[in-house]
Amino acid sequence: AQSVTQPDIHITVSEGASLELRCNYSYGATPYLFWYVQSPGQGLQLLLKYFSGDTLVQGIKGFEAEFKRSQSSFNLRKPSVHWSDAAEYFCAVGANDYKLSFGAGTTVTVRA
Amino acid sequence: NAGVTQTPKFQVLKTGQSMTLQCAQDMNHNSMYWYRQDPGMGLRLIYYSASEGTTDKGEVPNGYNVSRLNKREFSLRLESAAPSQTSVYFCASSKQGTGANVLTFGAGSRLTVL
Repeated sequence: AQSVTQPDIHITVSEGASLELRCNYSYGATPYLFWYVQSPGQGLQLLLKYFSGDTLVQGIKGFEAEFKRSQSSFNLRKPSVHWSDAAEYFCAVGANDYKLSFGAGTTVTVRA
Repeated sequence: NAGVTQTPKFQVLKTGQSMTLQCAQDMNHNSMYWYRQDPGMGLRLIYYSASEGTTDKGEVPNGYNVSRLNKREFSLRLESAAPSQTSVYFCASSKQGTGANVLTFGAGSRLTVL
C-alpha cells in the first residue's frame, strides 16, 4: 500500500519570499502524485498532478512541483508567495485503484 | 455548475444518535468517496463507490454505512454516533475510480458528537 509523509507540520514565510513544501511517498511502482490546497473552511482544490513524462509540473496559482524518483519525493514550490497562499497543503499519492492516500498536511502562514 | 454539494455543513449530535450526511454531484462522475479529516492525520477514506450500484470499504469504515442512491448521490450514515466520530467529513467525486483521477471535493460537513 502507498503512503505519504509531509515532514513539515507548519511553515511561516514572509510575503514575497519563496516557499518549498516537502513530500515523500512510499510506493512500489511509479505513483500518481498530487498536491491539493485547502483554504480555511473550504474543500480541497487541486494545485497540480504528476502522472508521467516531464518531472517538473506546473500548476495553478504559480505553483510547481518536481518528481524525483531516486528520492521518492514530490516537493511543491512557489518563487514568491502572496498573502492569499496562506492555507493547508496536502500531498497525495494514488495507485491503480480507487485509493488516494493523503499526507497529514502542511499549514502555511504568510506574514506581511 | 455546483460541483459537489454536501449537507448539512454543521451538525451537533449526542452520543448514540444517528444521522445521514448527504452528497450530490452534477458532473456526471462515476466514482464517489467519503473522507474524514482529523488534525494531524490528513484525509482518510471511509467508503467509496466506484460506480453506481457498488460500494466498498476504505481505510476507516467502522461505525459508518453508505448508500449510492443513484449516479449523482452518495450518502454517509452514522447509526450510533460516538465522540470519536467528531470530525470534518468530505465527499468527493471523480470520473473513474482509479488513482490517476482527479478528485473534486465538496466544502465539508463539520460534525461534533458530544
